[in-house]
Amino acid sequence: AQSVTQLDSHVSVSEGTPVLLRCNYSSSYSPSLFWYVQHPNKGLQLLLKYTSAATLVKGINGFEAEFKKSETSFHLTKPSAHMSDAAEYFCVVSPYNFNKFYFGSGTKLNVKP
Amino acid sequence: EAGVAQSPRYKIIEKRQSVAFWCNPISGHATLYWYQQILGQGPKLLIQFQNNGVVDDSQLPKDRFSAERLKGVDSTLKIQPAKLEDSAVYLCASSFTSGENTEAFFGQGTRLTVV
Repeated sequence: AQSVTQLDSHVSVSEGTPVLLRCNYSSSYSPSLFWYVQHPNKGLQLLLKYTSAATLVKGINGFEAEFKKSETSFHLTKPSAHMSDAAEYFCVVSPYNFNKFYFGSGTKLNVKP
Repeated sequence: EAGVAQSPRYKIIEKRQSVAFWCNPISGHATLYWYQQILGQGPKLLIQFQNNGVVDDSQLPKDRFSAERLKGVDSTLKIQPAKLEDSAVYLCASSFTSGENTEAFFGQGTRLTVV
């Protein structure tokens, strides 16, 4: 069975401080993992993806995520938050060769001035 | 390259009316998905097509929802009759392959409000 758990529904940080959005997954098969961002009234944009290469994945806008198989985690981080990072973030798992995408429930990131 | 196109962007209908959404995937993408995203939740897969065949429609409420992809390119999703709980954003996505290089590309969605 495949599932994704985003541990925080809301995260609030101050501008310039680090961001940590947590994601745990369950997959019966070697997964690909993704983080998507959704700004208000906008479509889903891919931030980064893990596909069994390097476990530390760098994405757009300074975000990165580390795949930890032993912990079944794929947490998203950014060293310094910007006001424009305020959005909803979704962790997604895709089991190998299944061409299916399972979403977490999302984490809303609020960035305070 | 052009992205996934969806129309309309917004739709307001009364309950028990019918509505249809249209999606044109990225050229060459064999797999097409329709997702439902209720406010405050993550997208939920309604139906998945591979070319013009249905791969997975286990979460589609078939008494009121239908979808087709007749020529294996664009697709329509229909709701008839609509209920209040169908208010959501309907997202279309497409992907080009499976295995390690799989990735889903999403349209901007259609926001449906049922009153």
